[in-house]
Amino acid sequence: NAGVTQTPKFQVLKTGQSMTLQCAQDMNHEYMSWYRQDPGMGLRLIHYSVGAGITDQGEVPNGYNVSRSTTEDFPLRLLSAAPSQTSVYFCASGRTVYHEQYFGPGTRLTVT
Amino acid sequence: SQQGEEDPQALSIQEGENATMNCSYKTSINNLQWYRQNSGRGLVHLILIRSNEREKHSGRLRVTLDTSKKSSSLLITASRAADTASYFCATDNAGTASKLTFGTGTRLQVTL
Repeated sequence: NAGVTQTPKFQVLKTGQSMTLQCAQDMNHEYMSWYRQDPGMGLRLIHYSVGAGITDQGEVPNGYNVSRSTTEDFPLRLLSAAPSQTSVYFCASGRTVYHEQYFGPGTRLTVT
Repeated sequence: SQQGEEDPQALSIQEGENATMNCSYKTSINNLQWYRQNSGRGLVHLILIRSNEREKHSGRLRVTLDTSKKSSSLLITASRAADTASYFCATDNAGTASKLTFGTGTRLQVTL
């Protein structure tokens, strides 16, 4: 099993550009989530999904969109990148929110 | 806002000593989880404790949970240099059950 995979590993964007961070898992997990990690802030929840076709907002959803058309994939879209979105982004999956979560290796995003 | 907060923010000990870190949270929970993050990597699950449990062990890890005080502690016994990492607690919310939120973490440095 590959576990949770994220692409790209690194990305530099200019302000106003859009992009999609990819996340995929091969463990048939229903629950998937996106976090951003900033120095001194821990992990903050952006969006989460309890199953295909169902998504909801976390603590810091503004400027991000998600969709969950399949169990395996949970892409995160930045609509119009801003310097405040410079961060490390982690995708995670678990059987449910009540189970162990498996994290991807992260995407380091810089917005100039 | 962050659901959990770890204390201390940073901890430096020598190899062989015990390390204790604490987590406080704000709302009623179903489960509390602890994760480890090595520098620049994704988080790795360590242990999950349910709200009706008071103590749990896994190898050199001991976790306690006091739901009346809304707090948990993680004890690592006989620390090794390889335990150097950041440690995070994560809690669900018994009211709005599908979110898993993380604290700000404790940075543990174990020196030889």
